Amino acid sequence: QVQLVQSGAEVKNPGASVKISCKASGYTFTSYAIQWARQAPGQGLEWMGWINAGNGNTRYSQNFQGRVTITRDSSASTAYMELTSLRSEDTAVYYCARDNNGGNGAYNLWGQGTRVTVSS
Amino acid sequence: DIVMTQSPHSLSVSLGERATINCKSSQSVLYTSNNWNYLCWYQQKPGQPPKLLISWASTRESGVPDRFSGSGSGTDFTLTISSLQVEDVAVYYCQQYYTTPHTFGQGTKLEIK
Repeated sequence: QVQLVQSGAEVKNPGASVKISCKASGYTFTSYAIQWARQAPGQGLEWMGWINAGNGNTRYSQNFQGRVTITRDSSASTAYMELTSLRSEDTAVYYCARDNNGGNGAYNLWGQGTRVTVSS
Repeated sequence: DIVMTQSPHSLSVSLGERATINCKSSQSVLYTSNNWNYLCWYQQKPGQPPKLLISWASTRESGVPDRFSGSGSGTDFTLTISSLQVEDVAVYYCQQYYTTPHTFGQGTKLEIK
């Protein structure tokens, strides 16, 4: 079936990096874009960045000051989000989501979320 | 960046009554070449990812009950639930996808009165 499956929960020390995967199935991976968003405990959604899975073009939120990198492996139908220089404020659930209009739409397919805990 | 401002932050509505949530963007999200508003609404329940309810400001997703409707254009948008049901208790978010960053509103928590 059409789905996005994310990698499992992570616990990291401050200053470390985390790389989360988002594996797509049931549709043509390169025909859509994927966004990454996060949600800190009890807080709202924060947009992190976006990748056009077809051509690999990326866009990022400046709020992360260059700490975010989004990539994809088309052969594996998988997108990745790496966040570096982790701090306690990065503790959150991280989501990937696919758009519904070939890279130009709202996001109608979401992964289950990956919990990242940053703690010493 | 486009700032999305939702109101109210929380809302208590009686079962069967109407619930209205507003979303205002700091600049227009209407793409004039196709006359589409790049604005959507999500519903999020505890422990779950967001669920897309409405895209293009007013297009209901398949399977979404028709008590949910979206309206507005340019910078001012509304999500209306015509007759609140128990299962509608959730947090609702708007998001603009007109330009990156695809910013979200801060969310509106909807409860039963």
